Amino acid sequence: KAGVTQTPRYLIKTRGQQVTLSCSPISGHRSVSWYQQTPGQGLQFLFEYFSETQRNKGNFPGRFSGRQFSNSRSEMNVSTLELGDSALYLCASSLTDEQFFGPGTRLTVL
Amino acid sequence: SQQGEEDPQALSIQEGENATMNCSYKTSINNLQWYRQNSGRGLVHLILIRSNEREKHSGRLRVTLDTSKKSSSLLITASRAADTASYFCATDRWGTGGFKTIFGAGTRLFVKA
Repeated sequence: KAGVTQTPRYLIKTRGQQVTLSCSPISGHRSVSWYQQTPGQGLQFLFEYFSETQRNKGNFPGRFSGRQFSNSRSEMNVSTLELGDSALYLCASSLTDEQFFGPGTRLTVL
Repeated sequence: SQQGEEDPQALSIQEGENATMNCSYKTSINNLQWYRQNSGRGLVHLILIRSNEREKHSGRLRVTLDTSKKSSSLLITASRAADTASYFCATDRWGTGGFKTIFGAGTRLFVKA
């Protein structure tokens, strides 16, 4: 079975731009969660989608949004990028309790 | 704020030695999971232990959970250079807004060959 894939793997943007990251879960997994990882804040939960509905949300500003499609693929969008948004963005899919993580997208905001 | 806190923050040992990492958390949980991350890559799931379990083994890994002390430990026996990575505990619990997974700050393990 193919693992969780994330595209793109690396991204460089400038302040004020917006960005869309994509995550394809393991086949059959309906839950997709997104996390932001930075050296200062560690791994922080962004949101979780299940069957195209946002089921849970972390403490991030409204500039961070996401969606899930009928095939369980998910996208997250960050608008009006700030320098502090530079991070590794990880998505994870799950069928039950165990989460399987993708390799992440490293976003650099200049 | 993060639910779990790992200690130590960093650990350096010789190959063949055992490595023990601890995790403490603040509120009641459903499960606790341990993950490994190599050098800024994705996380690899190691073990899940449920709140009604006290100990679990997987190969060279042993995880304990003490819900009365709100703490867990991960023991890696006979460590290898390939075990060099960051290790995170993550607690799963129901809270306002649904089911959440919250990660600790991690322990950086360095195994010297």
